[in-house]
Amino acid sequence: NAGVTQTPKFRILKIGQSMTLQCTQDMNHNYMYWYRQDPGMGLKLIYYSVGAGITDKGEVPNGYNVSRSTTEDFPLRLELAAPSQTSVYFCASSYGTSNTEAFFGQGTRLTVV
Amino acid sequence: AQSVSQHNHHVILSEAASLELGCNYSYGGTVNLFWYVQYPGQHLQLLLKYFSGDPLVKGIKGFEAEFIKSKFSFNLRKPSVQWSDTAEYFCAVKAGNNRKLIWGLGTSLAVNP
Repeated sequence: NAGVTQTPKFRILKIGQSMTLQCTQDMNHNYMYWYRQDPGMGLKLIYYSVGAGITDKGEVPNGYNVSRSTTEDFPLRLELAAPSQTSVYFCASSYGTSNTEAFFGQGTRLTVV
Repeated sequence: AQSVSQHNHHVILSEAASLELGCNYSYGGTVNLFWYVQYPGQHLQLLLKYFSGDPLVKGIKGFEAEFIKSKFSFNLRKPSVQWSDTAEYFCAVKAGNNRKLIWGLGTSLAVNP
């Protein structure tokens, strides 16, 4: 059982470049989330989705976009990378809102130079 | 606004010492409560969770937490820590029908052998 799989694990981008962080889950979870984690700042929610075709902004959505065309996949897009987007990104999923926990991917360490 | 407060940002203990990490939340209704652990360089993993019933919940690796509704608290405890418990610990709360988890900023625990 793979759980939540994120790719790539590491990436270095130049300012202004774009990239997509991939996230897929095989647990048939309805809810998926993207977080960024910065030292001492905890987890900040970027975007989330409650099902295929539905996405919503979290606390820090600026500079990012998402899509949810299938239940399994929830890619995160950075269009114009900026140094402020240097962070560790985690994708997570959960079955729903009631009495369920979130399962996390291994994370993507992104550096923008 | 709903929030989660973790009082200790950095904790340093010697092996065999007892551990208690504080977590308080601000929400007066029904809550689901979680403690996650993040070992160095790894993703977040669930330690334990409370949804209903016995307010004293036991998790993996000898951890436990007690939900005290009157104090809006969900403190994490372990009677005797080990070097391998060195990690960052996050408290999270799902408040009512909110679709998102609210996260504390985390507590960094270092256990000296």
